[in-house]
Amino acid sequence: DAKTTQPPSMDCAEGRAANLPCNHSTISGNEYVYWYRQIHSQGPQYIIHGLKNNETNEMASLIITEDRKSSTLILPHATLRDTAVYYCIVRPSGAGSYQLTFGKGTKLSVIP
Amino acid sequence: GAVVSQHPSWVICKSGTSVKIECRSLDFQATTMFWYRQFPKQSLMLMATSNEGSKATYEQGVEKDKFLINHASLTLSTLTVTSAHPEDSSFYICSARDWTANQPQHFGDGTRLSIL
Repeated sequence: DAKTTQPPSMDCAEGRAANLPCNHSTISGNEYVYWYRQIHSQGPQYIIHGLKNNETNEMASLIITEDRKSSTLILPHATLRDTAVYYCIVRPSGAGSYQLTFGKGTKLSVIP
Repeated sequence: GAVVSQHPSWVICKSGTSVKIECRSLDFQATTMFWYRQFPKQSLMLMATSNEGSKATYEQGVEKDKFLINHASLTLSTLTVTSAHPEDSSFYICSARDWTANQPQHFGDGTRLSIL
């Protein structure tokens, strides 16, 4: 699986948009970009995933660059409950179950 | 959507005892489940892949005789920490995916294990 690089920490003011970057320069054509987050003492929570098009759901938006070498997760209006460690993960597409390889992620602190 | 349930959420026990953790897929069948371990201030590390009806696949450095995995049905995998010692104290998390419905992988809420 391609490796990802994320900043170790970020701060965001409550109510503002949180933009979390991820580099995955070695991503291959059949690999998706997944985002999960882990709130303290809980299991990871799925947020969003995409292949090459930008994606949006009720939680967030995912912007993937045209060359697919980087992406940005956008939380449009961050709240205190969004404080968590955010993981960007690359894994193959297709049927079957694949384990997810977690890096160190980005610790997002939403500040009142 | 798909939900993964993990039980117990936390357990405290004496050194030398064995502890069983259950992971259930609540509304889908999971032929494969994954077990992770997370130490304080660290990321999740994959321990093993649990395969329904066959032996689990362990990651390098994980003792298969110490961490027994049983995946006897399509909705249940168990992890038993045998003869637990204080260094086994950790946060254990399972995950599963309903790949037939093209769902992403979902995680249980984890089990915090403390060995005294």
